[in-house]
Amino acid sequence: SQTIHQWPATLVQPVGSPLSLECTVEGTSNPNLYWYRQAAGRGLQLLFYSVGIGQISSEVPQNLSASRPQDRQFILSSKKLLLSDSGFYLCAWSDGAGAYYGYTFGSGTRLTVV
Amino acid sequence: GDSVTQMEGPVTLSEEAFLTINCTYTATGYPSLFWYVQYPGEGLQLLLKATKADDKGSNKGFEATYRKETTSFHLEKGSVQVSDSAVYFCALRNNNDMRFGAGTRLTVKP
Repeated sequence: SQTIHQWPATLVQPVGSPLSLECTVEGTSNPNLYWYRQAAGRGLQLLFYSVGIGQISSEVPQNLSASRPQDRQFILSSKKLLLSDSGFYLCAWSDGAGAYYGYTFGSGTRLTVV
Repeated sequence: GDSVTQMEGPVTLSEEAFLTINCTYTATGYPSLFWYVQYPGEGLQLLLKATKADDKGSNKGFEATYRKETTSFHLEKGSVQVSDSAVYFCALRNNNDMRFGAGTRLTVKP
């Protein structure tokens, strides 16, 4: 069966420090991968998605970047964190075969920038 | 473009009350519709889905029917429990594009 792993679960980082969040998927190949952010009490904001290795689409220009160095690995990064980067970050994957399948989400990373 | 609108919360109910969370959508073609649940501090979990008109998705006592004529996918449960307290997201997927509603926070009091 397919599983998605996301880590770390919780992170407290000072302003101006770098960031690296990792997400990996097991049990499938060539998944579509997504990074979402959820601010406190708010809905989901799509940050990046990828349909293949090295292919990244950005939905919102900001202080973050994403990379997909391997088929089932998706990394969210920042060179210098801002206070506004605080939030709950969710990785998700889907089968790219169309509308039938929903997204499967990881357990999330709670990032607090201090 | 495609969009999902769900009722604003928060919703507060007593245990064993009837629950309805309204969801309507705008989309071209034939999207699939989903309800996700997010418990505190966790990621989103798929609760139920429906892939064509008149389909009824159901899980854990929750139900939702895909109504193409009213472009709706309302979530219902006949008797809520304290453990149902969570945020509920309605979503649609059209080809590879998923759209989420803003989420509705449900609190169930004993």
